[in-house]
Amino acid sequence: GAGVSQSPRYKVAKRGQDVALRCDPISGHVSLFWYQQALGQGPEFLTYFQNEAQLDKSGLPSDRFFAERPEGSVSTLKIQRTQQEDSAVYLCASSLAGLTYEQYFGPGTRLTVT
Amino acid sequence: ILNVEQSPQSLHVQEGDSTNFTCSFPSSNFYALHWYRWETAKSPEALFVMTLNGDEKKKGRISATLNTKEGYSYLYIKGSQPEDSATYLCASRSGNTGKLIFGQGTTLQVKP
Repeated sequence: GAGVSQSPRYKVAKRGQDVALRCDPISGHVSLFWYQQALGQGPEFLTYFQNEAQLDKSGLPSDRFFAERPEGSVSTLKIQRTQQEDSAVYLCASSLAGLTYEQYFGPGTRLTVT
Repeated sequence: ILNVEQSPQSLHVQEGDSTNFTCSFPSSNFYALHWYRWETAKSPEALFVMTLNGDEKKKGRISATLNTKEGYSYLYIKGSQPEDSATYLCASRSGNTGKLIFGQGTTLQVKP
């Protein structure tokens, strides 16, 4: 079956531009997570959805970051007025409901802000 | 320990060598420990989820152990092969939140 997919795989944005990153989770997965991985670091949690409800957004670094999952399936992470420090790999993961289930990751979107 | 820490940061071994890495995590409010393998340009691949103190899991030549009382997990690779070259990430899940707290990873290079 299809895994988690993300698009685009690579994105180059000029400083100040807005970007939108898409995540298609595994069909039937209730939970969806976004993580940010800066160079040389492990992934860091950004936000979490259960169906369409955003239950935890404590990891979003600023109000320029916004995530949505309006129909409880596809999710979009939007970054407004991108800054150089936003350059990172953005990973999406999905899982079944319940805390003992694996989180399955997509390949990530590598964002470079110039 | 306040954060998830992994050691070593990188490792170079010869094909056929056995190797192991360490993951340290906060033992308070622990819920689960995840191991992932991440090859360049691919999705992180789930290896193990462990929840109970003393858990041992095995998948082929890779195995892992868990000590929740002292807050550490070991990942072992027996007879390393070049295809084992990857970054190995551990992540702790605490309390009843879904989010994973990752270590920085251990990058393994296996030379033929």
